[in-house]
Amino acid sequence: AQSVTQLDSQVPVFEEAPVELRCNYSSSVSVYLFWYVQYPNQGLQLLLKYLSGSTLVKGINGFEAEFNKSQTSFHLRKPSVHISDTAEYFCAVRLLTGGYQKVTFGTGTKLQVIP
Amino acid sequence: NAGVMQNPRHLVRRRGQEARLRCSPMKGHSHVYWYRQLPEEGLKFMVYLQKENIIDESGMPKERFSAEFPKEGPSILRIQQVVRGDSAAYFCASSPRTSGSDEQFFGPGTRLTVL
Repeated sequence: AQSVTQLDSQVPVFEEAPVELRCNYSSSVSVYLFWYVQYPNQGLQLLLKYLSGSTLVKGINGFEAEFNKSQTSFHLRKPSVHISDTAEYFCAVRLLTGGYQKVTFGTGTKLQVIP
Repeated sequence: NAGVMQNPRHLVRRRGQEARLRCSPMKGHSHVYWYRQLPEEGLKFMVYLQKENIIDESGMPKERFSAEFPKEGPSILRIQQVVRGDSAAYFCASSPRTSGSDEQFFGPGTRLTVL
């Protein structure tokens, strides 16, 4: 079974500073990887996803993530954050096999952008 | 094209009452997933349904919880005899297919408070 670890439950960062939100996964087979964002009192919205190909994936709102197979990581980054990026971010994984596969979510990282 | 709709957005119940949560998937989506988000925790998978079929209910508590997705109408998550520990945000997601790289589209959630 696959699992996702987001070690940082909260990350405070000053406005216009860079940020990296960490995500590690474990799986015995290849996986699809996702990052979702949840703004207060809203549902989750897809930021980006890694399927195959280039290990650097660009998403919405200036975010990007890099897939590192050897380190089983999929860290999310943004070079300069805005106040509006304050939200909770979830990393998720799905097995790369045919048929139905459950999506497993991490416990989330709360990004707090400080003015 | 309307997104995933959930109602009610907020639901207050007293201990022992029943809670019914509704989810209308996006147009053209026949796969529905329910997740529970407890305070300060990530999303936990509960159940996956297709029209008139429960495919995976491995995350559903064995007692008091049930889900359905009838041929016509929304998917319903039903919680009987609610307890305070059921207080959480319940999210519904839908997808056009269930495998591969398809993302799940999330509704805004129903926040259940049990008094």
